[in-house]
Amino acid sequence: SQQGEEDPQALSIQEGENATMNCSYKTSINNLQWYRQNSGRGLVHLILIRSNEREKHSGRLRVTLDTSKKSSSLLITASRAADTASYFCATERASGSRLTFGEGTQLTVNP
Amino acid sequence: GAGVSQSPSNKVTEKGKDVELRCDPISGHTALYWYRQSLGQGLEFLIYFQGNSAPDKSGLPSDRFSAERTGGSVSTLTIQRTQQEDSAVYLCASSLEYRSYNEQFFGPGTRLTVL
Repeated sequence: SQQGEEDPQALSIQEGENATMNCSYKTSINNLQWYRQNSGRGLVHLILIRSNEREKHSGRLRVTLDTSKKSSSLLITASRAADTASYFCATERASGSRLTFGEGTQLTVNP
Repeated sequence: GAGVSQSPSNKVTEKGKDVELRCDPISGHTALYWYRQSLGQGLEFLIYFQGNSAPDKSGLPSDRFSAERTGGSVSTLTIQRTQQEDSAVYLCASSLEYRSYNEQFFGPGTRLTVL
């Protein structure tokens, strides 16, 4: 099974609302990353949180990491229609090792 | 600078034919990855090249799939005797080695359709 598993699988909200996506994983990690994908094409890196960090911010994004629960959340505040995309978490077990991606959350922001 | 490029962007082929998909990583990136993504699904890891080390082929689904990376740069993923279940978007990514973390940069993908 995938190292990272996101929930919900799909999320539909209204513009201006906040969107929260969760990711769980099974093994110890060096860091966890979130990526965004539009229209089934290439993924774009959004934010990285290291295993010794608990929270990180980047613009309207907030990521939390709870290593005791092996889980992470991505919060997008004040969502916009342009945030509509699939969001994937990816874990890196050891420094420089390959990433393992989850199944993704499809976010739809309705104008 | 240029990002990761892939060609072709779309490929339609008949069952049983061989196909080659190409990936040009970001200049200077020594790690290169191939993934497969079926419609509405997550990323399935296929193969990973890291510098001069032997590639990690653990994700290749069958011996019909192979990949090369020549001169530590361009990579080609070859699928022999294609089957309809091979239809997917094939994504390539590259990253810098020897960093404290592995941020991957993705190409736009090749959408493969096997009729």
